Amino acid sequence: LAKTTQPISMDSYEGQEVNITCSHNNIATNDYITWYQQFPSQGPRFIIQGYKTKVTNEVASLFIPADRKSSTLSLPRVSLSDTAVYYCLVGRVTGGGNKLTFGTGTQLKVEL
Amino acid sequence: DVKVTQSSRYLVKRTGEKVFLECVQDMDHENMFWYRQDPGLGLRLIYFSYDVKMKEKGDIPEGYSVSREKKERFSLILESASTNQTSMYLCASSSFDRAGGEKLFFGSGTQLSVL
Repeated sequence: LAKTTQPISMDSYEGQEVNITCSHNNIATNDYITWYQQFPSQGPRFIIQGYKTKVTNEVASLFIPADRKSSTLSLPRVSLSDTAVYYCLVGRVTGGGNKLTFGTGTQLKVEL
Repeated sequence: DVKVTQSSRYLVKRTGEKVFLECVQDMDHENMFWYRQDPGLGLRLIYFSYDVKMKEKGDIPEGYSVSREKKERFSLILESASTNQTSMYLCASSSFDRAGGEKLFFGSGTQLSVL
């Protein structure tokens, strides 16, 4: 599965839009991209998932360019409670038996 | 809601002890995973299972084994605990959507201290 690269950390202020980019140069045709959020002392939780173009849900948007070698998680109008670690993960559409490996994630810190 | 339950939130064991970490999911998921998380190292995959009695090694299986006798339960076993296995252990199960994307659901984690 494709290896992912993300910035180690990002800082922002409340009310701003935050964009976190993940690089996955070796993504395969039948790979999809998933983003997770993790707060301290908790397990990660699913945010958004996509295969191509743009996906939006009530929490975030995911932008995937045509070549799919990167993806960008967009968090609109962040608040203090969005301070967390964000992980990008690439998985294969095979129905199971996937070795789902996380990268080191991006620590987002939101300040007043 | 999917529930993944890990039997202990905190656990303290002694070096050389055999340690069992239990994980149960209630959504009839085929796939289950064990990760460990250490500061600065992110989540690292230890073992995963895609069916009862089936298991696959992850990235760091040394010093660990697993058991999947029933679909809902996935156990991580430390045969002889060592201090370098002090860590947060996270269990997950996964589901698939119609497009084939796999989604992980995590438990709250077990903080294991080996003295």
